[in-house]
Amino acid sequence: AQKVTQAQTEISVVEKEDVTLDCVYETRDTTYYLFWYKQPPSGELVFLIRRNSFDEQNEISGRYSWNFQKSTSSFNFTITASQVVDSAVYFCACAGSSNTGKLIFGQGTTLQVKP
Amino acid sequence: GAVVSQHPSRVICKSGTSVKIECRSLDFQATTMFWYRQFPKQSLMLMATSNEGSKATYEQGVEKDKFLINHASLTLSTLTVTSAHPEDSSFYICSARGQFYNEQFFGPGTRLTVL
Repeated sequence: AQKVTQAQTEISVVEKEDVTLDCVYETRDTTYYLFWYKQPPSGELVFLIRRNSFDEQNEISGRYSWNFQKSTSSFNFTITASQVVDSAVYFCACAGSSNTGKLIFGQGTTLQVKP
Repeated sequence: GAVVSQHPSRVICKSGTSVKIECRSLDFQATTMFWYRQFPKQSLMLMATSNEGSKATYEQGVEKDKFLINHASLTLSTLTVTSAHPEDSSFYICSARGQFYNEQFFGPGTRLTVL
């Protein structure tokens, strides 16, 4: 079974600040996948990234970047130069190879970006 | 990209009635679909895994007789909340698994309010 912990319940920043959302996962599977989703007030989940356990390369996509470190079981997400439109709830999730691909979500971090 | 739809997007019903929510994969076939429930300010909790042509697999604590799942075709899964009560009011989200078991495409969600 997997477990995902997002210790930050709420974060508030001022526009243009950088912000990092933490994610720590637990799994006994050697093959697993990690995800980040954004959930704006409309409720629809927006897929941001998927990373498999064999690929520890960090990834950058525009203002978004992800730091995957197996040594600390963390998959942190950084938004550079945050914008008001980044305000949303962000979920980290994990799917292991042993449980039919079920996604286990963290508790979510509510990010508020103030103008 | 793969598109998943849900219908209705919002439903209000009286206590004691049954409500059916449809989840459709519009441009791909999904042998497996997942149903999640999300209470306000909480994370997504997996309710059940729906497999085409077979019985759904329910997570611990989810009443299978109350939440009826039917996955009669490769593009449609339905969730019926039977004898709904106010405590069933929640945001219900489905997802469909794509070609690879670690891919999931989420529907926009259905907001259920039971009066």
